Amino acid sequence: DQQVKQNSPSLSVQEGRISILNCDYTNSMFDYFLWYKKYPAEGPTFLISISSIKDKNEDGRFTVFLNKSAKHLSLHIVPSQPGDSAVYFCAARAEKLTFGTGTRLTIIP
Amino acid sequence: DTGVSQDPRHKITKRGQNVTFRCDPISEHNRLYWYRQTLGQGPEFLTYFQNEAQLEKSRLLSDRFSAERPKGSFSTLEIQRTEQGDSAMYLCASSPPDRKIDGYTFGSGTRLTVV
Repeated sequence: DQQVKQNSPSLSVQEGRISILNCDYTNSMFDYFLWYKKYPAEGPTFLISISSIKDKNEDGRFTVFLNKSAKHLSLHIVPSQPGDSAVYFCAARAEKLTFGTGTRLTIIP
Repeated sequence: DTGVSQDPRHKITKRGQNVTFRCDPISEHNRLYWYRQTLGQGPEFLTYFQNEAQLEKSRLLSDRFSAERPKGSFSTLEIQRTEQGDSAMYLCASSPPDRKIDGYTFGSGTRLTVV
């Protein structure tokens, strides 16, 4: 029973363009949604979050959109930079965090 | 405070041996979580503590796994009679009492290889 899904295992984007990472969920009890960035041999690092009562949250180059009716959220990174290359995990919180399977983002210089 | 600390960073063990990992959370955090991550997967929840009480255990946590947080500070995760399928990255995280959403902090993990 996978409550949080990231259907794209990988994504390649040209430097300077927009990166869009997607995430779907099934549990309506989640109160927050988060995006984490992960480099090899390190733990996940918090990037940005959104409350379930909001539809958009922006922090610099990063914006997260939430569509509750579709149970879908997305992370937009613009402009994309080479340092953004990493694995991105979507997570959702009830009592604990539940993670998706991740999307490997590669920014092409 | 230097964040969540996990020890060791890497562990190679022979099948059938017991291993123990340690996690030191951020000092003011009362909740502590253990996750396991295998290749190509996201972190999978194993168990969590609020202070010294273990509040939830995943079905992934078989009888060979046990976790403790005896004084509500550091935690240990022990795996008995290790199997090759236990090879994974074991991640620890902690969160503050106010459950502030950006307060969930992960350690760098312990990579276990069972040979």
